[in-house]
Amino acid sequence: RKEVEQDPGPFNVPEGATVAFNCTYSNSASQSFFWYRQDCRKEPKLLMSVYSSGNEDGRFTAQLNRASQYISLLIRDSKLSDSATYLCVVILNTGGFKTIFGAGTRLFVKA
Amino acid sequence: EAGVVQSPRYKIIEKKQPVAFWCNPISGHNTLYWYRQNLGQGPELLIRYENEEAVDDSQLPKDRFSAERLKGVDSTLKIQPAELGDSAVYLCASSPQGTTLYEQYFGPGTRLTVT
Repeated sequence: RKEVEQDPGPFNVPEGATVAFNCTYSNSASQSFFWYRQDCRKEPKLLMSVYSSGNEDGRFTAQLNRASQYISLLIRDSKLSDSATYLCVVILNTGGFKTIFGAGTRLFVKA
Repeated sequence: EAGVVQSPRYKIIEKKQPVAFWCNPISGHNTLYWYRQNLGQGPELLIRYENEEAVDDSQLPKDRFSAERLKGVDSTLKIQPAELGDSAVYLCASSPQGTTLYEQYFGPGTRLTVT
């Protein structure tokens, strides 16, 4: 089992739709969580951190469920420019910090 | 402020040849990472430096891969000899010292093709 698993894609949604991605992690030593966005043939860039209490940034909402070991990303009112791959990132603390990326979920927003 | 700089951007080599990638992190960032990203996958950490010390190289295939960060600033990742399966994008990232828990800034990557 992979340490970080994401919803298989791609997701194809119309503009204005709400879309949600899930990411599960297997190691209870996971300490910090992030969502990164990666455009085609570009480098990953931080979208948002994920806090225990949940957090929102405009149309984006991230949530963490430590008991069930998953995080989620909700995008409301999807825009064409939201089309990208969304990477779930987990930082493990096992005596040292280790960064683990999920395989990513690809989103296509259509006009 | 300049971002993470990587070179070359593209490299095509024949198998069994050596190849080297260079990375210059954001000024003041003491933590440097090398990742490999295969098509359709997320980045996989190869090595992490805190200043000039490699603090996590558990995922680095040491039989053919080596890395150095001699002065704690820029870094070189080398593959010798390259194999067909090494074709991937090699990404360098940096973050401020002691903030492994926070944002990593990525360079544009080097796209390696081994033929």
